[in-house]
Order: sequence, then C-alpha cells, then structure tokens
Amino acid sequence: DGGITQSPKYLFRKEGQNVTLSCEQNLNHDAMYWYRQDPGQGLRLIYYSQIVNDFQKGDIAEGYSVSREKKESFPLTVTSAQKNPTAFYLCASRRETNTGELFFGEGSRLTVL
Amino acid sequence: AQSVAQPEDQVNVAEGNPLTVKCTYSVSGNPYLFWYVQYPNRGLQFLLKYITGDNLVKGSYGFEAEFNKSQTSFHLKKPSALVSDSALYFCAVRDLDNYGQNFVFGPGTRLSVLP
Repeated sequence: DGGITQSPKYLFRKEGQNVTLSCEQNLNHDAMYWYRQDPGQGLRLIYYSQIVNDFQKGDIAEGYSVSREKKESFPLTVTSAQKNPTAFYLCASRRETNTGELFFGEGSRLTVL
Repeated sequence: AQSVAQPEDQVNVAEGNPLTVKCTYSVSGNPYLFWYVQYPNRGLQFLLKYITGDNLVKGSYGFEAEFNKSQTSFHLKKPSALVSDSALYFCAVRDLDNYGQNFVFGPGTRLSVLP
C-alpha cells in the first residue's frame, strides 16, 4: 500500500545532541513537508520541498535542517541549536497539483531530556 | 497573510445528535479549504476539501462542510455523531492566488461525543 513512513515513532535525546527523523513516501509525490505540532498551536511549517535537491524554509526553520536527495525521502535533522525541540513532528507529501491535499505520516514524538 | 481560526477549543455533543465544528479563514485571494482529523498520537487524516463549485462539500465518514464566502467560514458538520468521531479536528487553508505552497492550519478543535 502507498503511504508515508516516519521513523522512529518515539525518540529521546539529551540536550546538545543532533537527531535525524526519517520520512519516506512511495506515493510518487513531488512535494514534501515537515510540520511541528505543539498542544494548542496547530501545525507549524518547518521546511518544504517541491522537487529533488531543492527545499524552502517555513515559518520555524531555525535549528532544523533538511535534505532532498531522492524523491522518496525527506529527512529532518533537529540540531542542538533548536531551543525547544520537544514536540510531535509530522511529515507530509502532496501531488504537485493546485488542488492536491496533504497526506501525512504517523508522526515522530521527540522528547529532549 | 493567510490565517485560520477555530473559535472553539472543545465541542461536546451527545451520540446521535448533529455536530458542527467551526472554522473561519482569512486570505487575500481565492481559498482552497481543507478539514483533517487526528486521533491520539497519530498523523492527520484528510476528510474533505473545497476547491470551487458547490458550497456543500461531502467527505469521508459521513462528514460534510459548508463554504460561506460572505462569512469567510467553512464549518464541518455531521448529521448524527458517533462516539468514534471523538478526535482533534483541524481546518486548513491554502491561498493559490498568491502561489502559496504552504497550508496554514487552525489550532484545532477537540470533539468529544458522549454515549
């Protein structure tokens, strides 16, 4: 079945460590997104990519980095520069049409100890 | 700038009664509007979208939504609520006239359906 796979589901990290969240899709979608979810704040865009080897900063990109070397993969690195990284991270993808909706993965919950 | 408001943090409804989850939006161009549902510790699932045409949009699991341009609203509705509908609901907007690649999400409304 087609879909988006995020891993790991749960991750614990010590302060000062970088961590990479994986996102893989087999939907053949061009566009991929990373959102951060905090209670009561909805979803906020971290980065998005419309095509391989190209990506754009979202509203809260500071302290995060991404790469898009393959169409299927869009990993997110949470660096030690991110001041409050504990959150639920959601990856999504979309067909590159004007009317396409987002398809989401199951999310990764990062807790910084 | 685009924005979405969901004026109610929490909506409680009895099973079998109709439910409404409210959403208002602000965009400078023509809006593309979406509703998603999220169960605990899961990703968001797409319910329905308004692009153009009929103001009443039908979606998954018996949900529908009514687009009202004059009131800039896109309320989610269901004629008869189920306990299994209890979840977090998000409204989102995309402003195509400004070539926006982003989807702006509301803060979410928690729906509780009581047996």
